[in-house]
Amino acid sequence: GENVEQHPSTLSVQEGDSAVIKCTYSDSASNYFPWYKQELGKRPQLIIDIRSNVGEKKDQRIAVTLNKTAKHFSLHITETQPEDSAVYFCAASWGSGSARQLTFGSGTQLTVLP
Amino acid sequence: ETGVTQTPRHLVMGMTNKKSLKCEQHLGHNAMYWYKQSAKKPLELMFVYSLEERVENNSVPSRFSPECPNSSHLFLHLHTLQPEDSALYLCASSQDKRGGDTIYFGEGSWLTVV
Repeated sequence: GENVEQHPSTLSVQEGDSAVIKCTYSDSASNYFPWYKQELGKRPQLIIDIRSNVGEKKDQRIAVTLNKTAKHFSLHITETQPEDSAVYFCAASWGSGSARQLTFGSGTQLTVLP
Repeated sequence: ETGVTQTPRHLVMGMTNKKSLKCEQHLGHNAMYWYKQSAKKPLELMFVYSLEERVENNSVPSRFSPECPNSSHLFLHLHTLQPEDSALYLCASSQDKRGGDTIYFGEGSWLTVV
């Protein structure tokens, strides 16, 4: 089955700096890579996703890059703000006709210091 | 946001009790999921239903029994649980379609087994 590793487990940055979270996956058949943000006591919410036919995707201050050869993908947050503080999860999944079965990374606790 | 609603939000049960968690999605999706979230561990996929048919059961102990009576409702029946089953149980849904889709999570049910 798929295995997803995520680093670092904790990350502290100063407000305004950039934050980068990295994930690797094991199954070369994986073709969908979402990132979820989970604030304390709340549900995980999708913030950005990328599919295997794309190398990079950007949405305002958030970007994700994918390297299929190396089987890793990264989340980049620029100009961080205190409200970016949360746990971020990467995930990988395969399949194109059955229900999505996501394998999640172990999460990164991001703290943005004012 | 009320796309995926879970009840109860908090549940305390003894090891000999029988209880059920309920999930309802209002998004018109045709796939539903149960995930388990424990402290310091990645989100673990437990069960997947696509078009009301179970398509995945990730070696979950039989003390957890899912039920999907229709595409909008999903239950997780619990009995003779162990203290290590205490966790946040997240329901999710998606629109199963070729090319990928987004998985939306409910707010979760906090389960404590005493």
